[in-house]
Amino acid sequence: QQQVKQSPQSLIVQKGGISIINCAYENTAFDYFPWYQQFPGKGPALLIAIRPDVSEKKEGRFTISFNKSAKQFSLHIMDSQPGDSATYFCAAINTGTASKLTFGTGTRLQVTL
Amino acid sequence: DVKVTQSSRYLVKRTGEKVFLECVQDMDHENMFWYRQDPGLGLRLIYFSYDVKMKEKGDIPEGYSVSREKKERFSLILESASTNQTSMYLCASITDRPSLSTEAFFGQGTRLTVV
Repeated sequence: QQQVKQSPQSLIVQKGGISIINCAYENTAFDYFPWYQQFPGKGPALLIAIRPDVSEKKEGRFTISFNKSAKQFSLHIMDSQPGDSATYFCAAINTGTASKLTFGTGTRLQVTL
Repeated sequence: DVKVTQSSRYLVKRTGEKVFLECVQDMDHENMFWYRQDPGLGLRLIYFSYDVKMKEKGDIPEGYSVSREKKERFSLILESASTNQTSMYLCASITDRPSLSTEAFFGQGTRLTVV
């Protein structure tokens, strides 16, 4: 049972372009939506996160857009750089429970020159 | 600045062996997790623990067990390793305390190959 659905599975973007990764969730009890970035040979690390009381959060070139009614959220990477090439995971958590993170299936992003 | 440490980066084991994967965190987190990462399947939760000696099954617990005797240490045990358990294993921890960040910290991963 996939509670968080992520797409696309892979993405190729030219340097300077916009990378967009989408996620959808089902459990309305989720109240915290982080994105994790994973480089080869490393564990995932928190990139940016949002709570459902706001529709957008921006940190540098990274923006999360959140649509509570549609139960969808997305990551936008502006001015994509080769150093952004990594696997990105969306996740969701109900912080009122035992803090169990549910992850999407991941998106492998490649930014070309 | 190491926060979550997994005992091995790479392991090669034989089918039928008992395998122990160890994870230690230094952040006094209540919750610890073991995930398995496979291409196209993302991070799948095997087991998690929300307190010492407490454990709950995740999405794919079959063939695995866990142990948490101390707050900082969470062990994953493969009772009898099989080739379909060849994978990357990731340990993570997170706090329940609302005053602190709801960020999960991951170890560097253990790539296990069962031959």
